[in-house]
Amino acid sequence: DGGITQSPKYLFRKEGQNVTLSCEQNLNHDAMYWYRQDPGQGLRLIYYSQIVNDFQKGDIAEGYSVSREKKESFPLTVTSAQKNPTAFYLCASSLTSGGPLTQYFGPGTRLTVL
Amino acid sequence: DAKTTQPNSMESNEEEPVHLPCNHSTISGTDYIHWYRQLPSQGPEYVIHGLTSNVNNRMASLAIAEDRKSSTLILHRATLRDAAVYYCILRDRETSGSRLTFGEGTQLTVNP
Repeated sequence: DGGITQSPKYLFRKEGQNVTLSCEQNLNHDAMYWYRQDPGQGLRLIYYSQIVNDFQKGDIAEGYSVSREKKESFPLTVTSAQKNPTAFYLCASSLTSGGPLTQYFGPGTRLTVL
Repeated sequence: DAKTTQPNSMESNEEEPVHLPCNHSTISGTDYIHWYRQLPSQGPEYVIHGLTSNVNNRMASLAIAEDRKSSTLILHRATLRDAAVYYCILRDRETSGSRLTFGEGTQLTVNP
């Protein structure tokens, strides 16, 4: 089945450790996105990539890093510089031209920093 | 992107229609109106989108005011599975590309 997978579903880390969240899609989409969601709030854009080997900062990029070496993959690293990393992280992908550019979301990774 | 305003929460009864409002008084001529919804502990899913005319699909209908300053998402017969946060989002096709900016949405509760 086509879709987006994120792993792991739950992740626990100690304060001060870097952690990498995985996101893979087999929808042949050019664009991929990372969002953060805190309890009771909407989604905030961290980074996005419209094409392989290129990405742009979103609204809350500080303390995060990404890479886009393959079309299918867009991993997010939460670094120790991120002051409050505990959150629900969502990855999405979309086409970049034609139609409504619907974003398709993965199931999310819930990160807890102890 | 232009801002949208939605009520924080709404309630409905099962099998009754639901009208979810969205105000977007600063909408521009190139803004598409998108609706997504998010079930508990899941990623958002696309519901419907429109530009000027009313739109229908298998999930819902979108009614857009003539001046485009407001729109309404209509669920014709609410089910318990429709309980979710509904986001109304404007996407400027000329400046935003494929980016979406999510607000806090409307939490819909469906009573049995």
